[in-house]
Amino acid sequence: NAGVMQNPRHLVRRRGQEARLRCSPVKGHSHVYWYRQLPEEGLKFMVYLQKENIIDESGMPKERFSAEFPKEGPSILRIQQVVRGDSAAYFCASSPRTSSSYNSPLHFGNGTRLTVT
Amino acid sequence: QQQVKQSPQSLIVQKGGISIINCAYENTAFDYFPWYQQFPGKGPALLIAIRPDVSEKKEGRFTISFNKSAKQFSLHIMDSQPGDSATYFCAATVNQAGTALIFGKGTTLSVSS
Repeated sequence: NAGVMQNPRHLVRRRGQEARLRCSPVKGHSHVYWYRQLPEEGLKFMVYLQKENIIDESGMPKERFSAEFPKEGPSILRIQQVVRGDSAAYFCASSPRTSSSYNSPLHFGNGTRLTVT
Repeated sequence: QQQVKQSPQSLIVQKGGISIINCAYENTAFDYFPWYQQFPGKGPALLIAIRPDVSEKKEGRFTISFNKSAKQFSLHIMDSQPGDSATYFCAATVNQAGTALIFGKGTTLSVSS
């Protein structure tokens, strides 16, 4: 019973390149969340998606960042023209289709560590 | 109003001691308060959670105390062990399907043997 799978675990990009982070949720989960973690900053909510829909993107930077969760395949967080300030750990979490937070907590992946050189 | 403030930032406790981490929130609509534990190189994992209709919840050595009027909640780790050394995050949200968790900044706990 696989948990949330994120890949790659580590990603190095030069300034100006694109970064694509993938997340496969727990089987049967159709809610996906992306969080960014910076040292001493905790986990910052970025975006919440359901299959084929962006539900809440209030935490996403307005430019260069986008996310999708297609009908088939993993959720993708895409960062265009990366800058050094994008270096961080990016975590994906999933939860079941219909559930309250209390009954079905978020399951996190082990993250992708992005380093921009 | 969406913030969750966590303290201390770091904590050193001797083996067998009690570790206490505190959190405060402003949004009175929050009604679900989980704590997550994170080891280096891993993602956060749910440790224990509480709803505001109870003042305390205990699971093994881990206890959440909740003070609704003060809008504060805390994690107590009894008989702290070196294996408890990790980063702990408090969080809060409105308990409905899909609402995102708002996390505190984390507390790095070191338990010395």
